Amino acid sequence: NAGVTQTPKFQVLKTGQSMTLQCAQDMNHEYMSWYRQDPGMGLRLIHYSVGAGITDQGEVPNGYNVSRSTTEDFPLRLLSAAPSQTSVYFCASRRSGTSNTGELFFGEGSRLTVL
Amino acid sequence: AQSVAQPEDQVNVAEGNPLTVKCTYSVSGNPYLFWYVQYPNRGLQFLLKYITGDNLVKGSYGFEAEFNKSQTSFHLKKPSALVSDSALYFCAVRDTYNTNAGKSTFGDGTTLTVKP
Repeated sequence: NAGVTQTPKFQVLKTGQSMTLQCAQDMNHEYMSWYRQDPGMGLRLIHYSVGAGITDQGEVPNGYNVSRSTTEDFPLRLLSAAPSQTSVYFCASRRSGTSNTGELFFGEGSRLTVL
Repeated sequence: AQSVAQPEDQVNVAEGNPLTVKCTYSVSGNPYLFWYVQYPNRGLQFLLKYITGDNLVKGSYGFEAEFNKSQTSFHLKKPSALVSDSALYFCAVRDTYNTNAGKSTFGDGTTLTVKP
């Protein structure tokens, strides 16, 4: 079982460059989300989606865009990278529905450095 | 707004001793509570959750956690620690107000080190 797959695992960008972090899940989860992890700050929610065509902002959305054209994929776009976006990014998904009790399944992370 | 506090950045225990990793939370309604573990250079893995019912929940690898509503706590425990339990542990909360857009809020994490 692949679960949640993130690519790339590592990326180095220069300030002002753009890139897309890819996330795909094969569990038919409706809910998908992006977090960033910074030392001593836990995980902070960037954007999330409750289904195809529906996205919303999390705690730290500035500088990031998302779209959800299919259930499986939830890419995260950095339009103009800044050094403050140096971080480890995690994609996570879970089943949705009326119960909302499911645990999150995480990808292995994408480590981004912006010079 | 919901929040989670993990008051200890680091917990050190000797192998074979019991361990506790502390977590307190704040939500508007009733909470769903989760513990996750992260090993170096890996994603987070689910350990256990409290949804409703028995306040003591059991999870993977011999871990358990006790939900205490009056103290708004959800401490992670294990009766006998192993060196392989050494990792970064995260507590997370999700409120029950909006069933389809329930966002998870994470604590800052606690590094557990188990010494032989």
